[in-house]
Amino acid sequence: QSDLTQPRSVSGSPGQSVTISCTGTIGDVGLFNYVSWYQQHPGKAPKLMIYDVSQRPSGVPDRFSGSKSDTTASLTISGLQAEDEADYYCCSYAGSYTLVFGTGTKVTVL
Amino acid sequence: QVQLQESGPGLVKPSETLSLTCAVSGYSIGSGYYWGWIRQPPEKGLEWIATTVHTGGAYYNPSLKSRVTISMDTSRNQFSLRLTSMTAADTAIYYCVTVDGARSFDYWGQGILVTVSS
Repeated sequence: QSDLTQPRSVSGSPGQSVTISCTGTIGDVGLFNYVSWYQQHPGKAPKLMIYDVSQRPSGVPDRFSGSKSDTTASLTISGLQAEDEADYYCCSYAGSYTLVFGTGTKVTVL
Repeated sequence: QVQLQESGPGLVKPSETLSLTCAVSGYSIGSGYYWGWIRQPPEKGLEWIATTVHTGGAYYNPSLKSRVTISMDTSRNQFSLRLTSMTAADTAIYYCVTVDGARSFDYWGQGILVTVSS
């Protein structure tokens, strides 16, 4: 069970869109539609932003969207805002009730 | 709304066993839901440790399975983590979480920093 691969960092100007990729294998991302995404601000606990690839929990702005193609999942933040600057982690179900996280991506708002 | 609060020692000696507890409020853990632990070493990423469910099932990260036990105490509405043979590599913030559908973490505790040092 290896970590999912994410870019170390992405950046964008306010109002722009950024996309974070999350690459796994045919045994996790490629097999299950159970990818979730978490936002973490410094010193805070992570917050669920997307579950089941593309579902948003109540209260999460619709600027956040998720998708998946084969073994790669993606999180897109549209209309980037200053408060979106944070670390983002993907997570995938990997079978037998096990889960694996991504390596994490730092989003910087320029 | 479910609220989670971790408790336990902030400092553990190498080779010792870590015991952490997560007190749950706003929901009876015996009623359902999955419950779990996640950790994050300083300045590093998240690692899923274990998940348990009210029916008694327990599921572990393969890389930690030989050292980890997760358990529930429905009478106290809390669940616990036990991690043996602690080393410096186990220094991390430990979070207790709800695991919705066994596949996403919707509620998080504030986390507890555990340092392994002699």
